[in-house]
Amino acid sequence: GAVVSQHPSRVICKSGTSVKIECRSLDFQATTMFWYRQFPKQSLMLMATSNEGSKATYEQGVEKDKFLINHASLTLSTLTVTSAHPEDSSFYICSASGVVAFFGQGTRLTVV
Amino acid sequence: TQLLEQSPQFLSIQEGENLTVYCNSSSVFSSLQWYRQEPGEGPVLLVTVVTGGEVKKLKRLTFQFGDARKDSSLHITAAQPGDTGLYLCAANTGNQFYFGTGTSLTVIP
Repeated sequence: GAVVSQHPSRVICKSGTSVKIECRSLDFQATTMFWYRQFPKQSLMLMATSNEGSKATYEQGVEKDKFLINHASLTLSTLTVTSAHPEDSSFYICSASGVVAFFGQGTRLTVV
Repeated sequence: TQLLEQSPQFLSIQEGENLTVYCNSSSVFSSLQWYRQEPGEGPVLLVTVVTGGEVKKLKRLTFQFGDARKDSSLHITAAQPGDTGLYLCAANTGNQFYFGTGTSLTVIP
């Protein structure tokens, strides 16, 4: 079964609204989770590292006020895309890792 | 600058052909992973290689870790349409995973 569960798998929202994506570790406690963005047929681009109980660490070029990350518990991290615009449309994936990485199923976000 | 460079980036072959995907770096890694991702889904772990020179086989897939643990290759024998997907190598440098640039494979029936 899935080790990391991500929800929703697909979401369509209107421009200007906010969307929350959840990432849950099912069988283990994840002090650190990662959020990636992916464009078609391209590799994963790390957006930020989510740390339980503290602020997320964002990669260069990623707007922290636009992509809000909350990691309030050892099993849940959330990514909120605020004031979404069409250019935010993408595939977002979370992961939790130890020696290897386990990924959520991904979320296809479409902003219209 | 990418820590892990994969080649080729895109590959389209006929069913039954063989192919090799390369993952190269100037850094040394304690281990390296290969993942496969299908459209609309998250990547799925295929294999982890740990020892320099190690070769692992997974049915028609053969994975090799370079002697110096800086590079790896994935060889697919007699490719099938079900092998279509994005192949990613990855390395753990501590508490963060770095992913290769990716190889998008299409196997034509």
